[in-house]
Amino acid sequence: GENVEQHPSTLSVQEGDSAVIKCTYSDSASNYFPWYKQELGKRPQLIIDIRSNVGEKKDQRIAVTLNKTAKHFSLHITETQPEDSAVYFCAASPSGGYNKLIFGAGTRLAVHP
Amino acid sequence: DGGITQSPKYLFRKEGQNVTLSCEQNLNHDAMYWYRQDPGQGLRLIYYSQIVNDFQKGDIAEGYSVSREKKESFPLTVTSAQKNPTAFYLCASTPRQGRSYEQYFGPGTRLTVT
Repeated sequence: GENVEQHPSTLSVQEGDSAVIKCTYSDSASNYFPWYKQELGKRPQLIIDIRSNVGEKKDQRIAVTLNKTAKHFSLHITETQPEDSAVYFCAASPSGGYNKLIFGAGTRLAVHP
Repeated sequence: DGGITQSPKYLFRKEGQNVTLSCEQNLNHDAMYWYRQDPGQGLRLIYYSQIVNDFQKGDIAEGYSVSREKKESFPLTVTSAQKNPTAFYLCASTPRQGRSYEQYFGPGTRLTVT
């Protein structure tokens, strides 16, 4: 089945710097790749997603890139702010439909003022 | 908040007891999911359901059971057979079966079994 690996597990940056989180997946037929942000004790919330027919997507300070050949995708956050501090999860939707999502283990991002 | 609700927020049980976690949504979503989250780990899929009266096992279904008698409701029972039930449980839903859409999460239930 699908397996998603996420790196790094923790990331510490200074306010204003960029942050990059990387994920790899195993099922080459996976077609949907969302990123979720989870603040402490809260529910995960979608921040950006990308489908397999697109190589890059951007939304203000957040961007996601997808390399289908290498089976990896990345989250880029520019001009980080303290409120970006949270745990970020990548996920992949494997083939076979049913909207299943397989999640990575998460990256704890800390943005220091 | 709203749309998808879980109750209770915190739940305490003695070992050996079955416990049922509630998940309700008023978003008219077809698909619903249960995940388990342990400290420092990602979300692992327990069960999912695409339509009423149908559900499939996820990656860690052992020791859990579900039902989907109504479109709005997808309760999860943690049975005494689940060896390590203490965790944060998240319910989610998506608007349409057969395609990949955003999953909307409930606020979660933190279950502690002693």
